[in-house]
Amino acid sequence: EVQLLESGGGLVQPGGSLRLSCAASGFTFSSYAMSWVRQAPGKGLEWVSTISGSGGSTYYADSVKGRFTISRDNSKNTLYMQMNSLRAEDTAVYYCAKGSDFGVVIIGSYFDYWGQGTLVTVSS
Amino acid sequence: EIVLTQSPGTLSLSPGERATLSCRASQSVRSSYLVWYQQKPGQAPRLLIYGASSRATGIPDRFSGSGSGTDFTLTISRLEPEDFAVYYCQQYGSSPPTFGQGTKVEIK
Repeated sequence: EVQLLESGGGLVQPGGSLRLSCAASGFTFSSYAMSWVRQAPGKGLEWVSTISGSGGSTYYADSVKGRFTISRDNSKNTLYMQMNSLRAEDTAVYYCAKGSDFGVVIIGSYFDYWGQGTLVTVSS
Repeated sequence: EIVLTQSPGTLSLSPGERATLSCRASQSVRSSYLVWYQQKPGQAPRLLIYGASSRATGIPDRFSGSGSGTDFTLTISRLEPEDFAVYYCQQYGSSPPTFGQGTKVEIK
């Protein structure tokens, strides 16, 4: 059974930093791209970032480029998101999501499993 | 980027009725790379339909997807109490992946 468990959310001041983690199990972690998708309170879903199975390719939404860094440790089956220079508009539930297709990173790969999410609140 | 527009914003129906949700893309979605998710309050999205028309594992056959190009539809043939939720479409045929703004199916 695929399981994704996020952690690391919390309250942070504007301009601060936070590191999210997502522990994965139930599949061959290194074979699949992984992503972060966020949802602001009462709003819709927004793709944030994707990383290939090897970690060699990364992609970011324009809204977070230069501030967020996605990474993974395949030896620990864990996905990360380092979030710097946080803004109020980054307040959201952050979900990690598994890519659907072996070896496919962005085009042709949807999100077939999602974690339960971790809440990030940016406020003074 | 491809903009997805879902309609209606809210659908008020009774259990047993048929629900028809629309997702329109600003440009053609490559290879019908479109999915539908269901989200209930406080829960993560759940995959319903991929490739525009293929049901995900464990999804009841009252859910069906159709469409191609720029126009896609999710149909729930007979609403069950557990189907009242928000539904999102998402395209994965071009980068960045984008979501529609959602359609809420509420009990009338």
